[in-house]
Amino acid sequence: GAVVSQHPSWVICKSGTSVKIECRSLDFQATTMFWYRQFPKQSLMLMATSNEGSKATYEQGVEKDKFLINHASLTLSTLTVTSAHPEDSSFYICSARSSHTPGLASNEQFFGPGTRLTVL
Amino acid sequence: KQEVTQIPAALSVPEGENLVLNCSFTDSAIYNLQWFRQDPGKGLTSLLLIQSSQREQTSGRLNASLDKSSGRSTLYIAASQPGDSATYLCAADAGSEKLVFGKGTKLTVNP
Repeated sequence: GAVVSQHPSWVICKSGTSVKIECRSLDFQATTMFWYRQFPKQSLMLMATSNEGSKATYEQGVEKDKFLINHASLTLSTLTVTSAHPEDSSFYICSARSSHTPGLASNEQFFGPGTRLTVL
Repeated sequence: KQEVTQIPAALSVPEGENLVLNCSFTDSAIYNLQWFRQDPGKGLTSLLLIQSSQREQTSGRLNASLDKSSGRSTLYIAASQPGDSATYLCAADAGSEKLVFGKGTKLTVNP
């Protein structure tokens, strides 16, 4: 199968600090990774799309200087929430897709287990 | 702008019942439509992926259909079990691999 992991699974931090969340594709090379945010009882909202080796593309209304995304390798993308505030508390989920892995549909996304961020 | 709506928002059924979850989307120009399951506080588990050229997909007790012309998809769950209790999300691939999600249907299957 196609497995995506996230670390940490949950994090509590103080307001003003920065938090880094890792997203890894464990058994395939992810040419594209996506970061979503989910508020309680709400749907997932796409924050940004990142392709390996290039800058991320952010959705309208998402501050690129606040949510730093790095996709330095084909198996790892990181999301750093800088100067976190209580309103950034949310469930952050990443997904990954591969365009050249046999057995995987090129347009299917595989999701990580999510990271619960709580900012005090 | 693609919008995805799921009805009902919540559904409670007795064990063993067959049920249908509905998903509608406003822009029929989709690449695919996916159904996911999400347990409380957890990530997403992909259930079924229907490509735009397909009409339906089946996996075990699950069957998903897609009607692009009417902008609808349904997820049929046969012989429901308490373990099926979760929130079910549908998502339309709006192009450029961007998934647009509905708010989900929270399903409770009572023993």
